[in-house]
Amino acid sequence: GAVVSQHPSRVICKSGTSVKIECRSLDFQATTMFWYRQFPKQSLMLMATSNEGSKATYEQGVEKDKFLINHASLTLSTLTVTSAHPEDSSFYICSARGRDRASSGNTIYFGEGSWLTVV
Amino acid sequence: AQSVTQPDIHITVSEGASLELRCNYSYGATPYLFWYVQSPGQGLQLLLKYFSGDTLVQGIKGFEAEFKRSQSSFNLRKPSVHWSDAAEYFCAVLEYGNKLVFGAGTILRVKS
Repeated sequence: GAVVSQHPSRVICKSGTSVKIECRSLDFQATTMFWYRQFPKQSLMLMATSNEGSKATYEQGVEKDKFLINHASLTLSTLTVTSAHPEDSSFYICSARGRDRASSGNTIYFGEGSWLTVV
Repeated sequence: AQSVTQPDIHITVSEGASLELRCNYSYGATPYLFWYVQSPGQGLQLLLKYFSGDTLVQGIKGFEAEFKRSQSSFNLRKPSVHWSDAAEYFCAVLEYGNKLVFGAGTILRVKS
């Protein structure tokens, strides 16, 4: 299956600083990528949809000025958490829509996730 | 809006026993359905998916799922559970705009 890679897998930053998380599709072109946040013992919450070459679409309640998303190429999307606070500490997961070679339909593949701890 | 219900928050099965994880969805058109597995602290791994055709879908790690339109269900099954299957399982439906709508997840515990 297709591979989506996230980096870094774990990051600790100081309160007030910014941190960038990368999401790469390694063997397919992803015109659309998605960013999720997952709180402990909860399901995934969609934050935004990232389309290559255009502005991201944010879900209701997600601060677009705080969570900056850039999708500059067909294989890379980045999430930058600006002026991070301890409450931003969470598990962030990206996913990418790719075409499955075994079928004619699209499949959503997920990255490994990134643990962010703001101290 | 589309929704996915996983009625069981936790399930415990003995190693070697069979497993069925329930998933019900609400979706107006023919759904694209997925099952993912998440081990603690890790991302999601795709187990299987249903787009169309045969309603019994085979996935990785010996899992299968059956799409039943009349019951709006897409239950995940495995005939014999291994200790390494202990994880959290998410059912999801792909809605318009390629957004995935997830169920709340089911935590599987395997006892020896």
